[in-house]
Amino acid sequence: QKEVEQDPGPLSVPEGAIVSLNCTYSNSAFQYFMWYRQYSRKGPELLMYTYSSGNKEDGRFTAQVDKSSKYISLFIRDSQPSDSATYLCAMTYRDDKIIFGKGTRLHILP
Amino acid sequence: GAGVSQSPSNKVTEKGKDVELRCDPISGHTALYWYRQRLGQGLEFLIYFQGNSAPDKSGLPSDRFSAERTGESVSTLTIQRTQQEDSAVYLCASSSDSYTQYFGPGTRLTVL
Repeated sequence: QKEVEQDPGPLSVPEGAIVSLNCTYSNSAFQYFMWYRQYSRKGPELLMYTYSSGNKEDGRFTAQVDKSSKYISLFIRDSQPSDSATYLCAMTYRDDKIIFGKGTRLHILP
Repeated sequence: GAGVSQSPSNKVTEKGKDVELRCDPISGHTALYWYRQRLGQGLEFLIYFQGNSAPDKSGLPSDRFSAERTGESVSTLTIQRTQQEDSAVYLCASSSDSYTQYFGPGTRLTVL
C-alpha cells in the first residue's frame, strides 16, 4: 500500500460548482497535512496546511483532516476557471521529508 | 523578497553528457529539497539538505546523481552521463520549518 493515494483525475466541473479533492494515507504518524496547487509548467505553490485533525478555511478554500479515517479533503467553493490546475496533497511526520500525492488534475469549465 | 530561483530554466543535452542544475533558496531557509517530476507524474523526492548536510539522500536514483549545498545557500544537482530516462522537470524547494515548502519554477531537462 502506498503511503499517500490520490486520484489523478482529470476532474471536470462547471464554473461555480463546489469541488472536492481527496487523499487517503496509511501512516497514522502523519501530523502536518498540506495542499499544493500546480499550474502547467510551474512549480507547486502552497495553498493551505493543517496540523492534526480538523478544518481550516481560507477564502473559497477549506481543508479538512480526518485522522481516524486517514482521509484529507480540499473543498473549493464557487470554483473559477482560474482554479484549473493540478492539486497535490502532502503530509509529513518528521522534520525532513514530505510525502506528496501524485496530484489530481482539475478542469473548471466556463 | 525573492522566491526560490532555479537555473537554467531549460536544458537540452546529449545522452552521456554531464549537467549541473542550480537552486537559489529563499534567504534564511535552512532546509532545501530536490524533486524530479516526469511528465504527467507526481513529485519524486531526490534529496534533502538541512544547512549544508544531507541527512536524507535516499531518493537519488543512481550514483550518477549527486548534490551539494554551500552553507545555507545555493545548491547544485549534478547528473553525470545523462540518460534519456533522466528527462524530467527538476524542482527545488526551500523551507524554514518542517512542513511549508516553497518551490522554484523548475529546470526542464531534455536528454536527446
